[in-house]
Amino acid sequence: QKEVEQDPGPLSVPEGAIVSLNCTYSNSAFQYFMWYRQYSRKGPELLMYTYSSGNKEDGRFTAQVDKSSKYISLFIRDSQPSDSATYLCAMSKASNTGKLIFGQGTTLQVKP
Amino acid sequence: DTGVSQDPRHKITKRGQNVTFRCDPISEHNRLYWYRQTLGQGPEFLTYFQNEAQLEKSRLLSDRFSAERPKGSFSTLEIQRTEQGDSAMYLCASSLEGASNYGYTFGSGTRLTVV
Repeated sequence: QKEVEQDPGPLSVPEGAIVSLNCTYSNSAFQYFMWYRQYSRKGPELLMYTYSSGNKEDGRFTAQVDKSSKYISLFIRDSQPSDSATYLCAMSKASNTGKLIFGQGTTLQVKP
Repeated sequence: DTGVSQDPRHKITKRGQNVTFRCDPISEHNRLYWYRQTLGQGPEFLTYFQNEAQLEKSRLLSDRFSAERPKGSFSTLEIQRTEQGDSAMYLCASSLEGASNYGYTFGSGTRLTVV
């Protein structure tokens, strides 16, 4: 079993829809949670990060962490065609190395 | 600063050949990471450096792989006797110590194809 599980999709939504992306994890030692966006043939780009449980909002993006359920989510409001990409969840332990464990990534397509 | 730079962007090599990739991190970042990403998968950790010291290596990093970061600046990743299973995107990332747990900046990667 992988430490981080993420549905690969693909997920297709109409422009303007609210998108919900999710990851589950098995290791309770994870303390830092991130979402990266990756366009085709590019490196991942950091979108959001949260520490421990709670919500964080940044523009059209909201990240949620529920440590009791070992479940994290990314919501995208008013989705745009430019949001079409692969979304990767990532997490790290409370050590000082910064090593990230990634999910498989979910491919999102927003149709005009 | 132009971010994390990787060279080459693409490399096609014959099985059994050696290849070397280069990564130039963001100049003030003292940590540098190498990850490997295969099609349809998330990046997998290979190794990381703090300044010039290689502090952790994944089990994925077989003895055919070696990484260096002389003088704590750029880094190189060498693969000897390449195999078809080495075909992947090799990603480099950098960060500042202390900020590492909040994510870091990736380069655009080097895509390796072994034929």
